[in-house]
Amino acid sequence: EVQLVESGGGLVKPGGSLRLSCAASGFTFSSYSMNWVRQAPGKGLEWVSSISSSSSYIYYADSVKGRFTISRDNAKNSLYLQMNSLRAEDTAVYYCARDGMADRCSSTSCYGWFDPWGQGTLVTVSS
Amino acid sequence: DIQMTQSPSSLSASVGDRVTITCRASQGISNYLAWYQQKPGKVPKLLIYAASTLQSGVPSRFSGSGSGTDFTLTISSLQPEDVATYYCQKYNSALRTFGQGTKVEIK
Repeated sequence: EVQLVESGGGLVKPGGSLRLSCAASGFTFSSYSMNWVRQAPGKGLEWVSSISSSSSYIYYADSVKGRFTISRDNAKNSLYLQMNSLRAEDTAVYYCARDGMADRCSSTSCYGWFDPWGQGTLVTVSS
Repeated sequence: DIQMTQSPSSLSASVGDRVTITCRASQGISNYLAWYQQKPGKVPKLLIYAASTLQSGVPSRFSGSGSGTDFTLTISSLQPEDVATYYCQKYNSALRTFGQGTKVEIK
């Protein structure tokens, strides 16, 4: 069974940092691009970042570019999101999601839908 | 950046009704369009990809259509378990933008 389990969420002060992790199992992690998506309380889904299977290609939403860093460790079947300079508007549930098909990212784009999703981890940025 | 606009933002329909949700892209995206269902308090779930391909295990009352800029998600006979928010997503580029969501309730 494909499983994604996020961890690392919590309460952090504005300007602070947090590192999220996503542990993957049940599939060949090193073959798939991975993604982070967030959802602010009562709001819709917002794509945050994507990383290709070998970490060659990385993409960010403008709202987090320069503050967040996505990475992965294929030996540990793990995805990460380092979040720095956090703001109140970063408060959200953060989901990791696998691309629906293997190897769908290139130097210019990613052509994958998201499936499956993890259960999410809540990040609250507040003083 | 291509914007994704869903309509309506919310709807209320009776059990057994046919329900249609529209998603419009500000530029053409071919058929690089997915639909997700998010039930209250739950994780988003993939329903449809490539605009019209039903994900395995999804009930056949769900269907998708469209290409280019205009897409629809149809529930042929609304069931109580379909109460959820539905999102479209484009995936023709690195910026895999979601629509703002359509909340479906039972009348």
